[in-house]
Amino acid sequence: AQTVTQSQPEMSVQEAETVTLSCTYDTSESNYYLFWYKQPPSRQMILVIRQEAYKQQNATENRFSVNFQKAAKSFSLKISDSQLGDTAMYFCALTGANSKLTFGKGITLSVRP
Amino acid sequence: DAGITQSPRHKVTETGTPVTLRCHQTENHRYMYWYRQDPGHGLRLIHYSYGVKDTDKGEVSDGYSVSRSKTEDFLLTLESATSSQTSVYFCAINHPPADTQYFGPGTRLTVL
Repeated sequence: AQTVTQSQPEMSVQEAETVTLSCTYDTSESNYYLFWYKQPPSRQMILVIRQEAYKQQNATENRFSVNFQKAAKSFSLKISDSQLGDTAMYFCALTGANSKLTFGKGITLSVRP
Repeated sequence: DAGITQSPRHKVTETGTPVTLRCHQTENHRYMYWYRQDPGHGLRLIHYSYGVKDTDKGEVSDGYSVSRSKTEDFLLTLESATSSQTSVYFCAINHPPADTQYFGPGTRLTVL
């Protein structure tokens, strides 16, 4: 069975600063994808960033980047220049067979003005 | 916007009544999923479909059934709703080639 662990339930960051959200996972699959999703108060699930496990290069999307450590099964999200609109719950997720997603429990990020 | 809608968006019902939630997509995606979201659990897979009339169970399928008679619609049915099924329900589609799932807006279901 696959597992995704987000051990920090909450974090807070000052606007314009950088914050890193942690995620570890376990899977027996050799080929898989990892994702970070954002859920603002509107409840909509929004894809932030995606990482293919076979790619060594860390994915980057504007202010969002990941640190993917395959051997350590670690997949952290770095948010640079934090903005008030980044306040949300963030979920780490992992694909399995038939592209089914396994999610972590999420972390609530608050950006302070 | 992956063209996914869910209906209803909110529903309050009583224990023991049947409930059907609908997920509709406009882009002919083969794979569709139903998840539930509860505090402290993230999202958990209920059922999924890999084609018309092809469905399979997920992690938390007890008390739920699904049907997919056409590509664009994926229905989730609670045969006899219980208070433990109070939750937010999300539908998702899988967008190849990168196995990325995109989600509908969610349905908040309250079972009294």
